[in-house]
Formats: sequence, structure tokens, C-alpha cells
Amino acid sequence: EDQVTQSPEALRLQEGESSSLNCSYTVSGLRGLFWYRQDPGKGPEFLFTLYSAGEEKEKERLKATLTKKESFLHITAPKPEDSATYLCAVQAGGSSASKIIFGSGTRLSIRP
Amino acid sequence: DAGVTQSPTHLIKTRGQQVTLRCSPKSGHDTVSWYQQALGQGPQFIFQYYEEEERQRGNFPDRFSGHQFPNYSSELNVNALLLGDSALYLCASSSLSNTGELFFGEGSRLTVL
Repeated sequence: EDQVTQSPEALRLQEGESSSLNCSYTVSGLRGLFWYRQDPGKGPEFLFTLYSAGEEKEKERLKATLTKKESFLHITAPKPEDSATYLCAVQAGGSSASKIIFGSGTRLSIRP
Repeated sequence: DAGVTQSPTHLIKTRGQQVTLRCSPKSGHDTVSWYQQALGQGPQFIFQYYEEEERQRGNFPDRFSGHQFPNYSSELNVNALLLGDSALYLCASSSLSNTGELFFGEGSRLTVL
């Protein structure tokens, strides 16, 4: 069964303190791995898509990387406005109709 | 450009009742997916609609049903509500050519008493 596991569940950092969030996945043929950001009371907001091992994507202070078994979201010198829940999701199989499966997320809190 | 809109934003029902939630997709999108998100959890896939047909379904009972209209808007219906159905219901739209990039609405917060 396709599965996505995120760690840690929660992470508290000081402003400027870099760290990484982990997403481990088990799927039968990865079609794509996605990172989303979710603010309290809002729907998730798309950040990145990664398709193959070795691929990297960057956006401001965020960088996502992908291996054959996991993905990392690296946060460099975070600011309080980066506080949110970060969700990892995968799409398996060879069809665009395949469902997107989400992990439980990592709640990130950045203290000023 | 209007994004994904959902209604109602909040609603309270009692056990055994039925509820209908509505979603209008982002302009240009033809695929609608519904998710259930319990507090502190990630979104759980309910089903996906394209061309007015259910294409994929998650592990949800038949009490959960949906519909997509010719204008691509969609409804989620839940019958015989249980306390455990209390959650944030999220609608997400995408294009068939890029179904992994989901655009979410703000959600409908359902409380079952």
C-alpha cells in the first residue's frame, strides 16, 4: 500500500536557524512527489513538484530534494513568516488519474 | 482570476443528518478532488471527478458521494452523518495534464454534534 511518513511531527526553530524536514515514501512507481504549505484555517498551497531521484527545486529560503526513498525540505535562515505546516504528497502509478496521497505534515514554528 | 471557492465555510449538523458541500474550481481546471482533513492530520483523499465521472476513490464508505456538473463545479454529499465525520473538507482543482499540482479552496468546516 502506498504510504507517506513525515518527520518530525513538530519543529520549533529560532529565526535564522536552518533545518530540514523529512518525507519518506513507499509507492508502486512514483509519478511525482509534491510539497505543500498550509497555514492555520487555510487550504494547502502548492510549493514544488519533484519527479526523479537527484532532482532539486528552490524557492526563496526553501529547497526540496528527492532520493529513491525520501525527500527533504531544507529551510535556510528561516523567518517567522515561514511558520506553517508543511505537507508532503505523492502520486503513484502511470496515470494522471492516480490519487495524490498526503503525509500528516510537519508543524514548523519559527521564533523571532 | 478566481481561485477555488467552497461553500459553506462552516456548518453544524447533528448525527444522522445529510450534508452537501459545494466547490467551484479554478478557471481553466477540469478536474476536482475532495479531501477530508481531521485536526492535526494530513488531507485524506475521498474521490476525484473528471468529465462528470468519478475516476478515483479513496477508502471512504458509500455514505460519501459526489457529483461534477458540466461547468466543472462539484458537490460532496455525506449521508447519515457520524460524529467522526467532523473535519475540514477541502476541494482541490487541477488540469488533467498536471493533476499533481492541486489548487485548494479554503475548505468547509463541518461539525457533527
